[in-house]
This record gives sequence, C-alpha cells and structure tokens, in this order.
Amino acid sequence: GENVEQHPSTLSVQEGDSAVIKCTYSDSASNYFPWYKQELGKRPQLIIDIRSNVGEKKDQRIAVTLNKTAKHFSLHITETQPEDSAVYFCAAPMTTDSWGKLQFGAGTQVVVTP
Amino acid sequence: DAGVIQSPRHEVTEMGQEVTLRCKPISGHDYLFWYRQTMMRGLELLIYFNNNVPIDDSGMPEDRFSAKMPNASFSTLKIQPSEPRDSAVYFCASSLDPGQGGTGELFFGEGSRLTVL
Repeated sequence: GENVEQHPSTLSVQEGDSAVIKCTYSDSASNYFPWYKQELGKRPQLIIDIRSNVGEKKDQRIAVTLNKTAKHFSLHITETQPEDSAVYFCAAPMTTDSWGKLQFGAGTQVVVTP
Repeated sequence: DAGVIQSPRHEVTEMGQEVTLRCKPISGHDYLFWYRQTMMRGLELLIYFNNNVPIDDSGMPEDRFSAKMPNASFSTLKIQPSEPRDSAVYFCASSLDPGQGGTGELFFGEGSRLTVL
C-alpha cells in the first residue's frame, strides 16, 4: 500500500512570504496527488491536484510540482495571506485502481503572521 | 446542492452506548467514504461504497464498527459498544467517478465530533 510522508509538520511564515510543503510517496505507480486545506473546525477541501502526466500545475497563488523520479510532490503558496492559515494535507491513492481511496499525509499547520 | 450533510454535528455519549452517525451524499455522486480524524492518527479511511455497495472496509478498526448504505442518498456508521478511544471527528465524503464525468475530488461533510466518556 501507499505510504505518504509530509514535511514540515508546522510552518510559520510572514504575510507576503512563500510557503512550501513537501510530500513523498512510496508507490511509483501512483498517478494522482491532491492537496486539501482544512481550516480550524472545518472540513477538508480540495485546493489543487496534479496527475502524473504533468510536472507542475498553478492556480493563482498556489502551485503544485511533481517529481516522479524522486517520488515527491510539493505545494507552493506565494504571497501568503492570513486566510492561508490552516492545516494542509497531501494525499495519494492507496492503490492505483482506487483514486478515491486516499492515503493522507499527517498534515502541515501553516500560520501566517501579519 | 447543499453539499454532503452529516448528523449529528456533535455527540457526547458514555462508554458502552451505541452511536449512529448519518450521512447524506451529494445527489448524483456514486462514491461515499467514511473517514476518521484524530490528532494521533490523522485522517484515516474507514470504509467506502460504490453505488451503495461496500467496496473496502479494511480500515474499519474492529467489529464494533459497522456501516451501511441502504440507498444512494443515505449512509450510516454505527459503533456498538462505543469506547473512549473512538472519540474523534468522523467525516463522510462523496465523489463522482472520473469515468462518469467526475474530477476525483472528495467533497467532505462538516463532520460529526464524537466524544465517548
């Protein structure tokens, strides 16, 4: 089965700076890598995802990069704002034939200080 | 659509009592997932259904846990008897198969926070 490791566990950044969260996975056949954001007391919500046929995907201030050779993918948040404060989870499918059966990373608590 | 609806939002019960958590998925979604979230173990998949049929329950911690999906618009997760270590936030999520036009996104409900004393 898939094993997903996420670093760092906490990240404190000044407003306006960039934040980078990195995840590694174990199954080289994995082909779908979503990122979820969970605000305090709320539900996880998808913010961006990437599939293995591309190396990078951007959506405004967030981007995800994928390195299949090294089996890691990263979330990049630029020009951070206080509303970016949340826990971010990376994930990968537990098996290649079950896209929704996700193995989540342990999460990264991001704190953006004004 | 109102999104995935879960009830109750909060449940406090005593050890040994039966707990039933409920979920209404987004209309038209054909997958339903039950996840559990704790500080120690993070987000864990307990069980998931496809077209109301349980596909994988390997994440269900033990026989005290059971889940059903009698129709496309309703699912329950039952714990009997409950124990203090079951205290967690239980999330239900639904999704549409990418082969059916979905994107693979999991739409989570607001969660049911369970406290077992």
